[in-house]
Amino acid sequence: NAGVTQTPKFRVLKTGQSMTLLCAQDMNHEYMYWYRQDPGMGLRLIHYSVGEGTTAKGEVPDGYNVSRLKKQNFLLGLESAAPSQTSVYFCASSYPLLALFFGEGSRLTVL
Amino acid sequence: AQKITQTQPGMFVQEKEAVTLDCTYDTSDQSYGLFWYKQPSSGEMIFLIYQGSYDEQNATEGRYSLNFQKARKSANLVISASQLGDSAMYFCAMRAGTASKLTFGTGTRLQVTL
Repeated sequence: NAGVTQTPKFRVLKTGQSMTLLCAQDMNHEYMYWYRQDPGMGLRLIHYSVGEGTTAKGEVPDGYNVSRLKKQNFLLGLESAAPSQTSVYFCASSYPLLALFFGEGSRLTVL
Repeated sequence: AQKITQTQPGMFVQEKEAVTLDCTYDTSDQSYGLFWYKQPSSGEMIFLIYQGSYDEQNATEGRYSLNFQKARKSANLVISASQLGDSAMYFCAMRAGTASKLTFGTGTRLQVTL
């Protein structure tokens, strides 16, 4: 039972580099989310999707882009990484109005 | 806008004792849901318990119960008979209205001692 899988688990980038985080879920959930977790700040929503082909901005969307080309996948892109984007990134998925199920997290460091 | 407040950065409890983790919320929506998640040191987010705003009874899941006081806008998590494995970060979260996205509090770190 894979649930929600995030790739990669760890990544170190230099300022200005780009990268993509991949999230895959096998629970047939309509909704998918990207959060970031920083010390003392809980989890903050970056972007989310309520279905294939749709995306919407969350609380902290600047510097990130997302795509949901397939129902089971939700990609988070950083076009030009900045040190402020050093964080742990969590992907989650859910049915409407029900609990979110999270991946294991991806730790990103931007030097 | 929705807001979740967890005022206890850290808590200690002795093994086998009960502990209450506080959570207050703010929303103008009449329909909302409250969630608690556990994050152990390994980092994953584990869903524990859910309470809907129209639920008349407090939610319970094994040793976890949610003390829901609507008038006070509080949704405290009660863990009974604490175990060493309960040591973790605990997050309260809320969804409001027809939105499924969750707003999280800043968390409470619980340490269970012998």
